[in-house]
Amino acid sequence: DVVMTQSPLSLPVTLGQPASISCRSSQSLVHSDGNTYLNWFQQRPGQSPRRLIYKVSNRDSGVPDRFSASGSGTDFILRISRVEAEDVGVYYCMQGTHWPPWTFGQGTKVEIK
Amino acid sequence: QVQLVESGGGVVQPGGSLRLSCVASGFTFNIYGMHWVRQAPGKGLEWVAIIWYDGSNMYYADSVKGRFTISRDNSKNTLYLQMDSLTAEDTAVYYCVRGYTSGSPPFAYWGQGTLVTVSS
Repeated sequence: DVVMTQSPLSLPVTLGQPASISCRSSQSLVHSDGNTYLNWFQQRPGQSPRRLIYKVSNRDSGVPDRFSASGSGTDFILRISRVEAEDVGVYYCMQGTHWPPWTFGQGTKVEIK
Repeated sequence: QVQLVESGGGVVQPGGSLRLSCVASGFTFNIYGMHWVRQAPGKGLEWVAIIWYDGSNMYYADSVKGRFTISRDNSKNTLYLQMDSLTAEDTAVYYCVRGYTSGSPPFAYWGQGTLVTVSS
């Protein structure tokens, strides 16, 4: 199984400041079809997960443009350009290249300092 | 709009069984694969199972293989998860998640979840 490793696991951020979360996979996530199936999810307190990003860098509809993501192979990053109060929650990366199983990172808790 | 509404959670004794349901609306259910994903209290997300759009294929996490069965009734727009031989480690919120169809990346839509508690 592909192991997804996120860092940091806890991220205190000052409002208006940038934040970034790293996600590394135990093997390359490049699929034989040429795509890289790496997603990012946000889970606000008490809510279901919400997909923010699919295929490494594609932002979902309605996701603020302060969220961006990049990466390739085994190394991926989610960035928030200026953290707002509504960004508090836990962020997960997930790979969908080598399945089953689909595997998630441990989660990174973003909180306001 | 897309809606996924889970039900069937509750408290069950170790070794017991439970069947979860997920009613889908707002999209053409019978062309999408469907997943179950769970989250133990205070923990991260764990993929549980997938079923193909037509029910022809199913895959399971090793942690539930042989105990859980995913199924669907496309005439009722409903996804199921039959859970047998439950243990305390199965205690979690179970989410129904829309999967793949051509041109639509999976995991875009999640239900609100239903809580399963395994306890004596």
